[in-house]
Amino acid sequence: NAGVMQNPRHLVRRRGQEARLRCSPMKGHSHVYWYRQLPEEGLKFMVYLQKENIIDESGMPKERFSAEFPKEGPSILRIQQVVRGDSAAYFCASSPPGSANTGELFFGEGSRLTVL
Amino acid sequence: AQSVTQPDIHITVSEGASLELRCNYSYGATPYLFWYVQSPGQGLQLLLKYFSGDTLVQGIKGFEAEFKRSQSSFNLRKPSVHWSDAAEYFCAVGRSNFGNEKLTFGTGTRLTIIP
Repeated sequence: NAGVMQNPRHLVRRRGQEARLRCSPMKGHSHVYWYRQLPEEGLKFMVYLQKENIIDESGMPKERFSAEFPKEGPSILRIQQVVRGDSAAYFCASSPPGSANTGELFFGEGSRLTVL
Repeated sequence: AQSVTQPDIHITVSEGASLELRCNYSYGATPYLFWYVQSPGQGLQLLLKYFSGDTLVQGIKGFEAEFKRSQSSFNLRKPSVHWSDAAEYFCAVGRSNFGNEKLTFGTGTRLTIIP
């Protein structure tokens, strides 16, 4: 059973460009979470999604950031008009629905965004 | 709002020595508590978790942690560290109900092992 898959693992963008980060949850998982890790800091919650629904986006910056988890395909974290301060590691995590849920999050290996 | 404090940014121990990493949390209800480990350039791996019951929990790789409600602590311990334990360790707290496993993480403790 494949784990949480994130791509790209590394992404370099120039200021003003767009960054798209993709996350495929573990098989059978319908809950997806995005976290951001700034250098020398812990992980900060950004957004929690279920299929076609944003459940909690309290950690998302108000502008330039958006996330989706369509019915088909991976979850996408999109950052428009990137700035240097967006340089970070972005981690995706997933968990199963309902009775299969143990409260544990399963993390991918992260996508490291560098903004030049 | 929930919060997690890991007071030690960096700890160095000798291989074979014992280890204790501190974690204090702030939460208004019964917390769910986790310890994750992150190797350089990698994602996070769950070491152990506490939901309820026995306050001393055993995890993978020989780690254990003890939940002390009176001290709002969930310290991680290992009796004898190995060089492969060098990594970043994160304590996290979650809500005490399922349906949104949003976790709040501490800032991490970097563990260095010396021969």
